[in-house]
Amino acid sequence: GAVVSQHPSRVICKSGTSVKIECRSLDFQATTMFWYRQFPKQSLMLMATSNEGSKATYEQGVEKDKFLINHASLTLSTLTVTSAHPEDSSFYICSALGTVTGELFFGEGSRLTVL
Amino acid sequence: AQSVTQPDIHITVSEGASLELRCNYSYGATPYLFWYVQSPGQGLQLLLKYFSGDTLVQGIKGFEAEFKRSQSSFNLRKPSVHWSDAAEYFCAVGARGSTLGRLYFGRGTQLTVWP
Repeated sequence: GAVVSQHPSRVICKSGTSVKIECRSLDFQATTMFWYRQFPKQSLMLMATSNEGSKATYEQGVEKDKFLINHASLTLSTLTVTSAHPEDSSFYICSALGTVTGELFFGEGSRLTVL
Repeated sequence: AQSVTQPDIHITVSEGASLELRCNYSYGATPYLFWYVQSPGQGLQLLLKYFSGDTLVQGIKGFEAEFKRSQSSFNLRKPSVHWSDAAEYFCAVGARGSTLGRLYFGRGTQLTVWP
């Protein structure tokens, strides 16, 4: 079964609204989680590194105010796409790094469609 | 900056035939190297990884990859492909000295398997 769960798996929203995507590590603690964005037929682009209890580290070119990341506990990181626009439509994938094992697991992704 | 090149966007093979997916990377030092597989609408599953040691790495599902430092390559191979291997394959690198799990991906190779 999945060890990293993302919710929702699919979301459709209107332009201008905000959408929150959750990434949960199941049965293990993850001090560090990562958020990726995947465009159709393209690769995964690392957006940010999320550290529990501290601010996320964003990759160059990723808008911090557009993509808000919160990592409030050792098992949960959230990505909020603020004031979403159609160009934000994408497949968002998170991964979680096990604190004890050092193993990395990926979530099943969340498909965001902004109308 | 790290970069990962997967020169083949799409490969088609017959079931039972051998397979090689190419991956080249650009990085100042030997990075951590990974191969992931992604089925449609799904997250990523780790096939294998190279950190150090033996340059021929065995993975799950009968896959193997060979790290060749002189060629900056980490090609994925399978001696006999099964229809269930049809999926998208991603090569990824992680920088030594950086946060483990912070990965940079190639654009992917779509594998089609003919019966």
